Amino acid sequence: DAEITQSPRHKITETGRQVTLACHQTWNHNNMFWYRQDLGHGLRLIHYSYGVHDTNKGEVSDGYSVSRSNTEDLPLTLESAASSQTSVYFCASSESYSHEQYFGPGTRLTVT
Amino acid sequence: QKEVEQNSGPLSVPEGAIASLNCTYSDRVSQSFFWYRQYSGKSPELIMSIYSNGDKEDGRFTAQLNKASQYVSLLIRDSQPSDSATYLCAVTVLQAGTALIFGKGTTLSVSS
Repeated sequence: DAEITQSPRHKITETGRQVTLACHQTWNHNNMFWYRQDLGHGLRLIHYSYGVHDTNKGEVSDGYSVSRSNTEDLPLTLESAASSQTSVYFCASSESYSHEQYFGPGTRLTVT
Repeated sequence: QKEVEQNSGPLSVPEGAIASLNCTYSDRVSQSFFWYRQYSGKSPELIMSIYSNGDKEDGRFTAQLNKASQYVSLLIRDSQPSDSATYLCAVTVLQAGTALIFGKGTTLSVSS
C-alpha cells in the first residue's frame, strides 16, 4: 500500500548540531509539506514543495531548509539546532491541484 | 496574517449526543475547508472536506460552510468515546497555493 513515512520517529540532539529529518511518500504526490506542532501554536507550515527542484517558505521557515531532488522525498534540515526547535514535526503530501493533505506519523525532536 | 480560530475546549458531551465544533477564518478568498482528527500522540487524519456553501454529510459527520460569515463547523452525531480527540480546522490561503492554515484545534471528550 502507498504510504508516507518519516524517520527517525524520535531524535535527541544538541544545540548547534545539524539535523536532517526524512520524509518519504510512495503515492507519487507532487505536493509535499513540512509542519511543526507545538502546544499553544497548533500546526505551523515550515516549507513546502510542488515538485522536483521546487521549494517555498512557509510561516516559520527561519533556521530550516529543504531540497527536492525526486518526487518521493522531502528532507527537512535544521542547519544549527536551537532549543526553540524542540517540537513534533509532521510531513504531509497531496496530489497536484488538491488541497487534501495526508500526514506522516511525525518525528519528535528534542534539542538539549 | 491569515488566521483560523477555534475554541480550544475541552468540549465535553455524553455518549450518543451531538458534538458541534466551530471554526472561523479571516481570509475571505479561502475556497477549501477541511476537518482533521488527531488522537493524542498521533498524526492528523483527514475526515471531512467541504468546498461550497451548505452541508456535506459523511456517515455520522456533517460539515457546514457559510462563506459569507466566514464560518465552518463540524457536527458529530451519536458521539462515541472513540470520537474523543482533537479536531483541527484547516483552510486554504490564496497566497500559498495548496498549502493549508490550521486552527489550534478543539479537544472533544465523549463520556460513556
